[in-house]
Amino acid sequence: SAVISQKPSRDICQRGTSLTIQCQVDSQVTMMFWYRQQPGQSLTLIATANQGSEATYESGFVIDKFPISRPNLTFSTLTVSNMSPEDSSIYLCSVEPEGVYYGYTFGSGTRLTVV
Amino acid sequence: GEDVEQSLFLSVREGDSSVINCTYTDSSSTYLYWYKQEPGAGLQLLTYIFSNMDMKQDQRLTVLLNKKDKHLSLRIADTQTGDSAIYFCAEIPGEASNTGKLIFGQGTTLQVKP
Repeated sequence: SAVISQKPSRDICQRGTSLTIQCQVDSQVTMMFWYRQQPGQSLTLIATANQGSEATYESGFVIDKFPISRPNLTFSTLTVSNMSPEDSSIYLCSVEPEGVYYGYTFGSGTRLTVV
Repeated sequence: GEDVEQSLFLSVREGDSSVINCTYTDSSSTYLYWYKQEPGAGLQLLTYIFSNMDMKQDQRLTVLLNKKDKHLSLRIADTQTGDSAIYFCAEIPGEASNTGKLIFGQGTTLQVKP
């Protein structure tokens, strides 16, 4: 399965600022996904990022708040813009299965606290 | 609609078996997954099962799938303190089978007492 490096692992940010989270994969993948896990909650898909096209956002998430870049097949970034305390969550990237491996692999997550 | 339900908490003694249950609503789901999340860590894929299977065993883990009742369970044999974590079941709804959109349950916190 793919190995994902996600950084930063955690950050404490001031409200009104922005944070960019990076996700690097050790192999080329077509589809990358960004999830949010609010405190004590399950995971919710934010958007799907395919190389060479605009990200596809789920209901309740907009590009102005969560701009995503996907410059190549091994890298993606998620920016959390104009942060408020409600954005405090764990953000995780994920990649599609490859070959005969059917599991979706996740990064170790970015724990964001907005003060 | 898309909904995955899990009980929130399970406590067992070390050496006992743990059974974590999950129900889902989409009968056309093709793949169902179990993930483990340890404190402060990301998600680790434990196992997955195809919708055309009833059971899958992998060392201490046994997954049972009852498609009629839309019920999925994860049994951990000889539970150890290192198994203490949050366990999430997840499905890919049929209409999203090409999108990779995973629908997660709320997670079951497994507490293993020595």
